[in-house]
Amino acid sequence: QVQLVESGGGVVQPGRSLRLSCAASGFTFSSYKMHWVRQAPGKGLEWVAVISYDGSNQYYADSVKGRFTISRDNSKNSFYLQMNSLRDEDTALFYCARGGGAAAGRAFDYWGQGTLVTVSS
Amino acid sequence: QSALTQPPSASGSPGQSVTISCTGTSSDVGSYKYVSWYQQHPGKAPKLMIFEVSKRPSGVPARFSGSKSGNTASLTVSGLQAEDEADYYCSSYAGFSYVFGTGTKVTVL
Repeated sequence: QVQLVESGGGVVQPGRSLRLSCAASGFTFSSYKMHWVRQAPGKGLEWVAVISYDGSNQYYADSVKGRFTISRDNSKNSFYLQMNSLRDEDTALFYCARGGGAAAGRAFDYWGQGTLVTVSS
Repeated sequence: QSALTQPPSASGSPGQSVTISCTGTSSDVGSYKYVSWYQQHPGKAPKLMIFEVSKRPSGVPARFSGSKSGNTASLTVSGLQAEDEADYYCSSYAGFSYVFGTGTKVTVL
Protein backbone atom coordinates (compact mmCIF):
# COMPACT_ATOMS: atom_id res chain seq x y z
CA GLN A 1 0.00 0.00 0.00
CA VAL A 2 1.11 3.57 -0.63
CA GLN A 3 2.92 5.11 2.32
CA LEU A 4 4.42 8.55 2.72
CA VAL A 5 6.35 9.36 5.89
CA GLU A 6 7.63 12.84 6.62
CA SER A 7 10.48 13.70 8.96
CA GLY A 8 12.74 16.59 9.84
CA GLY A 9 10.33 18.99 11.50
CA GLY A 10 11.15 20.81 14.70
CA VAL A 11 11.57 24.18 16.38
CA VAL A 12 13.83 26.64 14.60
CA GLN A 13 14.63 30.31 15.06
CA PRO A 14 13.60 32.89 12.46
CA GLY A 15 16.16 33.22 9.69
CA ARG A 16 17.50 29.72 10.18
CA SER A 17 17.16 26.64 7.93
CA LEU A 18 15.52 23.25 8.11
CA ARG A 19 15.35 20.27 5.76
CA LEU A 20 12.27 18.09 5.55
CA SER A 21 12.27 14.58 4.10
CA CYS A 22 9.52 12.35 2.77
CA ALA A 23 10.10 8.61 2.39
CA ALA A 24 7.79 6.87 -0.08
CA SER A 25 6.89 3.21 -0.44
CA GLY A 26 4.28 0.98 -2.04
CA PHE A 27 4.45 2.49 -5.53
CA THR A 28 6.90 3.28 -8.35
CA PHE A 29 8.21 6.52 -6.89
CA SER A 30 10.07 7.61 -10.02
CA SER A 31 6.80 7.71 -12.00
CA TYR A 32 5.07 10.39 -9.95
CA LYS A 33 5.24 14.11 -9.32
CA MET A 34 5.51 14.86 -5.62
CA HIS A 35 4.26 17.83 -3.64
CA TRP A 36 4.64 19.60 -0.32
CA VAL A 37 1.51 21.11 1.19
CA ARG A 38 1.38 22.94 4.53
CA GLN A 39 -1.26 23.84 7.07
CA ALA A 40 -0.71 26.54 9.67
CA PRO A 41 -2.25 25.77 13.07
CA GLY A 42 -6.02 26.10 12.86
CA LYS A 43 -5.83 27.28 9.24
CA GLY A 44 -6.42 25.89 5.77
CA LEU A 45 -4.23 24.04 3.34
CA GLU A 46 -1.58 25.83 1.28
CA TRP A 47 0.25 24.26 -1.63
CA VAL A 48 4.02 24.81 -1.31
CA ALA A 49 5.93 23.12 -4.12
CA VAL A 50 5.97 20.33 -6.71
CA ILE A 51 8.77 18.37 -8.34
CA SER A 52 8.54 16.42 -11.57
CA TYR A 53 9.10 12.68 -11.95
CA ASP A 54 12.78 12.98 -12.67
CA GLY A 55 13.49 16.11 -10.67
CA SER A 56 14.10 18.25 -13.72
CA ASN A 57 11.29 20.70 -13.01
CA GLN A 58 10.24 22.40 -9.78
CA TYR A 59 7.54 24.95 -9.12
CA TYR A 60 6.81 26.95 -5.98
CA ALA A 61 4.17 29.05 -4.30
CA ASP A 62 5.01 32.75 -4.37
CA SER A 63 5.17 32.74 -0.56
CA VAL A 64 8.22 30.45 -0.54
CA LYS A 65 9.88 31.16 -3.89
CA GLY A 66 13.55 31.93 -3.46
CA ARG A 67 13.64 30.54 0.09
CA PHE A 68 12.55 26.90 -0.30
CA THR A 69 14.01 24.25 -2.61
CA ILE A 70 12.35 20.94 -3.46
CA SER A 71 14.48 18.01 -4.58
CA ARG A 72 14.26 14.23 -4.89
CA ASP A 73 16.42 11.13 -4.94
CA ASN A 74 14.67 8.39 -6.88
CA SER A 75 17.30 5.86 -5.84
CA LYS A 76 16.17 6.38 -2.25
CA ASN A 77 12.44 6.77 -2.95
CA SER A 78 12.59 10.07 -1.15
CA PHE A 79 12.11 13.75 -1.73
CA TYR A 80 12.99 16.79 0.30
CA LEU A 81 12.22 20.40 1.13
CA GLN A 82 15.13 22.63 2.01
CA MET A 83 13.74 25.64 3.85
CA ASN A 84 15.98 28.68 4.28
CA SER A 85 15.36 32.11 5.80
CA LEU A 86 12.46 30.76 7.80
CA ARG A 87 9.83 33.20 9.03
CA ASP A 88 7.26 33.09 11.81
CA GLU A 89 4.55 32.64 9.18
CA ASP A 90 6.17 29.41 7.97
CA THR A 91 5.02 27.69 11.16
CA ALA A 92 2.85 24.83 9.95
CA LEU A 93 2.29 21.12 9.64
CA PHE A 94 4.02 20.14 6.41
CA TYR A 95 2.49 17.27 4.44
CA CYS A 96 4.07 15.42 1.56
CA ALA A 97 1.60 14.30 -1.08
CA ARG A 98 1.71 12.28 -4.26
CA GLY A 99 0.57 13.79 -7.54
CA GLY A 100 -2.33 11.83 -8.99
CA GLY A 101 -0.60 10.69 -12.16
CA ALA A 102 -2.60 8.80 -14.76
CA ALA A 103 -5.22 7.68 -12.22
CA ALA A 104 -6.09 10.98 -10.60
CA GLY A 105 -4.68 13.71 -12.79
CA ARG A 106 -3.57 16.91 -11.12
CA ALA A 107 -4.85 15.95 -7.69
CA PHE A 108 -3.08 14.89 -4.51
CA ASP A 109 -4.09 11.28 -4.14
CA TYR A 110 -2.05 10.13 -1.14
CA TRP A 111 -0.81 12.14 1.84
CA GLY A 112 1.58 11.59 4.68
CA GLN A 113 0.68 12.37 8.29
CA GLY A 114 2.74 15.56 8.35
CA THR A 115 5.74 16.93 10.20
CA LEU A 116 5.44 20.05 12.34
CA VAL A 117 7.69 23.04 11.75
CA THR A 118 7.65 25.75 14.40
CA VAL A 119 9.52 28.97 13.73
CA SER A 120 10.03 30.83 16.97
CA SER A 121 12.70 32.77 18.78
CA GLN B 1 -2.25 32.82 -5.98
CA SER B 2 -5.22 33.86 -3.89
CA ALA B 3 -7.14 31.13 -2.10
CA LEU B 4 -10.36 29.90 -3.64
CA THR B 5 -13.45 31.07 -1.77
CA GLN B 6 -15.57 28.57 0.16
CA PRO B 7 -18.31 29.18 2.73
CA PRO B 8 -16.93 28.76 6.26
CA SER B 9 -19.62 26.32 7.27
CA ALA B 10 -22.44 24.12 6.01
CA SER B 11 -24.77 21.74 7.78
CA GLY B 12 -27.50 19.21 7.29
CA SER B 13 -29.39 16.49 9.09
CA PRO B 14 -28.61 12.82 8.51
CA GLY B 15 -29.97 11.72 5.16
CA GLN B 16 -30.12 15.24 3.76
CA SER B 17 -27.84 16.78 1.15
CA VAL B 18 -25.33 19.57 1.51
CA THR B 19 -23.58 21.47 -1.29
CA ILE B 20 -20.34 23.38 -0.87
CA SER B 21 -19.26 26.00 -3.39
CA CYS B 22 -15.70 26.85 -4.40
CA THR B 23 -15.23 30.10 -6.30
CA GLY B 24 -12.05 30.94 -8.14
CA THR B 25 -11.12 32.94 -11.20
CA SER B 26 -10.54 32.49 -14.91
CA SER B 27 -6.90 31.75 -14.06
CA ASP B 28 -7.69 28.64 -12.05
CA VAL B 29 -11.12 27.01 -11.68
CA GLY B 30 -12.45 28.63 -14.85
CA SER B 31 -9.57 27.50 -17.04
CA TYR B 32 -8.95 23.89 -16.05
CA LYS B 33 -10.82 20.64 -15.45
CA TYR B 34 -8.40 19.96 -12.60
CA VAL B 35 -10.58 20.74 -9.59
CA SER B 36 -10.32 18.32 -6.68
CA TRP B 37 -11.93 18.03 -3.25
CA TYR B 38 -10.46 16.82 0.04
CA GLN B 39 -12.01 15.70 3.32
CA GLN B 40 -10.09 16.30 6.52
CA HIS B 41 -11.12 14.98 9.91
CA PRO B 42 -9.60 16.64 13.01
CA GLY B 43 -5.98 15.65 13.51
CA LYS B 44 -5.90 13.65 10.31
CA ALA B 45 -4.35 14.09 6.88
CA PRO B 46 -6.59 15.20 4.02
CA LYS B 47 -8.22 12.52 1.88
CA LEU B 48 -8.96 12.87 -1.83
CA MET B 49 -12.70 12.67 -2.48
CA ILE B 50 -13.13 14.06 -6.01
CA PHE B 51 -10.66 14.75 -8.83
CA GLU B 52 -11.03 16.33 -12.27
CA VAL B 53 -14.23 18.10 -11.19
CA SER B 54 -16.47 15.05 -10.87
CA LYS B 55 -14.49 11.80 -10.75
CA ARG B 56 -14.41 9.67 -7.61
CA PRO B 57 -11.36 7.66 -6.58
CA SER B 58 -11.89 4.01 -5.83
CA GLY B 59 -13.47 3.58 -2.40
CA VAL B 60 -15.16 6.97 -2.17
CA PRO B 61 -18.94 6.56 -1.79
CA ALA B 62 -21.15 7.56 -4.73
CA ARG B 63 -23.00 10.03 -2.51
CA PHE B 64 -20.07 12.38 -3.02
CA SER B 65 -20.34 14.22 -6.33
CA GLY B 66 -18.76 17.24 -7.97
CA SER B 67 -19.55 19.72 -10.69
CA LYS B 68 -18.31 22.98 -12.17
CA SER B 69 -19.80 25.97 -13.90
CA GLY B 70 -17.59 28.82 -15.01
CA ASN B 71 -15.33 29.90 -12.16
CA THR B 72 -17.28 28.01 -9.48
CA ALA B 73 -17.00 24.34 -8.56
CA SER B 74 -19.30 22.50 -6.17
CA LEU B 75 -19.21 19.41 -3.99
CA THR B 76 -22.48 17.75 -3.03
CA VAL B 77 -22.77 15.19 -0.27
CA SER B 78 -26.06 13.33 -0.53
CA GLY B 79 -27.53 11.17 2.20
CA LEU B 80 -25.41 12.79 4.90
CA GLN B 81 -23.93 10.44 7.46
CA ALA B 82 -22.35 11.19 10.82
CA GLU B 83 -18.88 10.31 9.50
CA ASP B 84 -19.18 13.02 6.83
CA GLU B 85 -18.70 15.67 9.52
CA ALA B 86 -15.31 17.13 8.63
CA ASP B 87 -13.54 20.02 6.94
CA TYR B 88 -13.66 20.05 3.15
CA TYR B 89 -11.21 21.81 0.86
CA CYS B 90 -11.32 22.35 -2.87
CA SER B 91 -8.20 22.72 -4.96
CA SER B 92 -7.49 23.81 -8.52
CA TYR B 93 -4.55 23.62 -10.84
CA ALA B 94 -3.53 27.14 -11.84
CA GLY B 95 -0.86 26.62 -14.45
CA PHE B 96 2.42 25.44 -12.86
CA SER B 97 0.92 26.02 -9.43
CA TYR B 98 -2.02 24.91 -7.33
CA VAL B 99 -4.42 26.75 -5.09
CA PHE B 100 -6.63 25.49 -2.27
CA GLY B 101 -9.93 26.78 -1.05
CA THR B 102 -10.46 28.45 2.31
CA GLY B 103 -12.18 25.35 3.67
CA THR B 104 -15.73 24.52 4.78
CA LYS B 105 -16.66 22.85 8.04
CA VAL B 106 -19.55 20.48 7.47
CA THR B 107 -21.66 19.71 10.52
CA VAL B 108 -24.13 16.84 10.64
CA LEU B 109 -26.95 18.01 12.88
